[in-house]
Amino acid sequence: QSVLTQPPSASGTPGQRVTISCSGSSSNIGSNAVDWYQQLPGTAPKLLIFGNNQRPSGVPDRFSGSKSGTSASLAISGLQSEDEGDYYCAAWDDSLNAYVFGTGTKVTVL
Amino acid sequence: QVQLVQSGAEVKKPGSSVKVSCKASGGTFSTYTISWVRQAPGQGLEWMGSFIPLLDIAKYAQKFQGRVTLTADKSTSTAYMELSSLRSEDTAVYSCARHDTGMDAFDIWGPGTMVTVSS
Repeated sequence: QSVLTQPPSASGTPGQRVTISCSGSSSNIGSNAVDWYQQLPGTAPKLLIFGNNQRPSGVPDRFSGSKSGTSASLAISGLQSEDEGDYYCAAWDDSLNAYVFGTGTKVTVL
Repeated sequence: QVQLVQSGAEVKKPGSSVKVSCKASGGTFSTYTISWVRQAPGQGLEWMGSFIPLLDIAKYAQKFQGRVTLTADKSTSTAYMELSSLRSEDTAVYSCARHDTGMDAFDIWGPGTMVTVSS
């Protein structure tokens, strides 16, 4: 039972913009930075966004993150077929004293 | 480039223990924080804990406290995760990941080790 809630699925056609939400609380998103991970089928997770809106070197600028209050969002613009996979938000939780992941969102390119 | 290589798949009996290794190549191992994350089949990611080789300090998720032990051998740049009192619900892929202090996130991941708990 994750403390960060994401929609189970999101979809779009190639070229479209898809947004994934991540809802938390004051003890996690409300007081700490949010990270996003991409997990393509059969592979290990990959860091996509750190510090709410920063991209590691090599991550295309099609991916962007934002945070407001106790919620965060990941946007994928110019959706491509290779973006199909699972996406997880994550943040440190001060109450649980743990790094918590979101429930995950499966992105499908139609 | 830092890479994390993990030990192979394991099949264990309920009640037994498993020890998974994670060997780092490249970089300065003692300065890393290595975290462990597991993923049950068809499920999401779950943080188990982190280990700081430089300080020999481990931090555990409350859920696993008392059942998981994180260690490291600096001489071989290898981190270990040992989980005891295994039950069927522990069947999962166990991954190590480097926590980059600059990004404060897990920037490099191992490929994962499948642990199956079955009688």
